[in-house]
Amino acid sequence: KQEVTQIPAALSVPEGENLVLNCSFTDSAIYNLQWFRQDPGKGLTSLLLIQSSQREQTSGRLNASLDKSSGRSTLYIAASQPGDSATYLCAVRDPFQGGSEKLVFGKGTKLTVNP
Amino acid sequence: KAGVTQTPRYLIKTRGQQVTLSCSPISGHRSVSWYQQTPGQGLQFLFEYFSETQRNKGNFPGRFSGRQFSNSRSEMNVSTLELGDSALYLCASSQGQGATGELFFGEGSRLTVL
Repeated sequence: KQEVTQIPAALSVPEGENLVLNCSFTDSAIYNLQWFRQDPGKGLTSLLLIQSSQREQTSGRLNASLDKSSGRSTLYIAASQPGDSATYLCAVRDPFQGGSEKLVFGKGTKLTVNP
Repeated sequence: KAGVTQTPRYLIKTRGQQVTLSCSPISGHRSVSWYQQTPGQGLQFLFEYFSETQRNKGNFPGRFSGRQFSNSRSEMNVSTLELGDSALYLCASSQGQGATGELFFGEGSRLTVL
């Protein structure tokens, strides 16, 4: 059974700092990995999608890496801003009966960027 | 292009009642999946539909059911509500049937059971 772990559960940093969020998963047989952001009381906003054949993806100040063999992904946020404060969720596409849309989520890292 | 739309956004029910939640996917998206989010369990997969067919179902009791219509819109129903069903219910859509597509989520329907 696939399990996804995100460490740390919470992180508080001063504005302008570069930071790394970690995600690990137990079964390397994934289709892809997706990072999301969730603001309080809101839905999920997709940040980056990394296919299993890729090593990294970049979007603006965000860079996500994937090491499938070791079951790890990192989300790097450069020059953090107060508007980056949110919960960041990592999810892997698990081969549930083949070709499924099922995502297995971690519990998230709650990020606070202090002005 | 409109995103995933979920209605209602908030609702309050009492134990024993039933509830129906609606999800309209992004235009052109044919796959819809549902997730339950609670503080204790996090996000858990409920079920997934493609072309009006349920492809997969998560580990939830039979009180949870769903369907998809020919226009790809989906509904989920929870019967005989329990206090533990209080949660944020999220719907996601993706373009095709393949497992490599990106999922896009709606704002969710927050259900409170009293």
